[in-house]
Amino acid sequence: SQQGEEDPQALSIQEGENATMNCSYKTSINNLQWYRQNSGRGLVHLILIRSNEREKHSGRLRVTLDTSKKSSSLLITASRAADTASYFCGRYSGGGADGLTFGKGTHLIIQP
Amino acid sequence: DADVTQTPRNRITKTGKRIMLECSQTKGHDRMYWYRQDPGLGLRLIYYSFDVKDINKGEISDGYSVSRQAQAKFSLSLESAIPNQTALYFCATSGPDRNSGNTIYFGEGSWLTVV
Repeated sequence: SQQGEEDPQALSIQEGENATMNCSYKTSINNLQWYRQNSGRGLVHLILIRSNEREKHSGRLRVTLDTSKKSSSLLITASRAADTASYFCGRYSGGGADGLTFGKGTHLIIQP
Repeated sequence: DADVTQTPRNRITKTGKRIMLECSQTKGHDRMYWYRQDPGLGLRLIYYSFDVKDINKGEISDGYSVSRQAQAKFSLSLESAIPNQTALYFCATSGPDRNSGNTIYFGEGSWLTVV
């Protein structure tokens, strides 16, 4: 069963605007990872945030984690057409657990 | 060259046929995974392996089998394919480094259509 969901399922914004997508989870995690998937391609790792961290940055990406609410958000600032993709969060429970569990993703469309 | 290579990239097969998807990796990782992606359902784990002698069922293992032939090779088989196994299949790997947090590296995917 899915261990949480990304929200919204789809998001369309104008180029240059900021895009925010959210991820919720149900059980405790060791870390949470965000991935990007271009249409029909493999997932590419973007950023990892550990359970004892609250915020991480990587270029135009900002990830926050609120363990009390069991939620994370991914912010993409100054969006570009090339950011058009699906974004997934992977929840890792640690302790030799079976890899990451993913939700259904957020499909982001950047309008030129 | 890709670190995680899947073959074939595309395959159309008939119901009842046996099909094997192969995966090889050059990352030197111990852990390998097979995921399935369906539209609207995200990725679901089929099988995973932490080393050559270790095979574990994931969320949706029914109708599938795997073989870990070597550290670098992990194949997925559909013994008797059925149409609802039409999907995009991903092989993935992760390293043993605890500090990596189990970051997963994906192959480019194998499109399988069962008619």
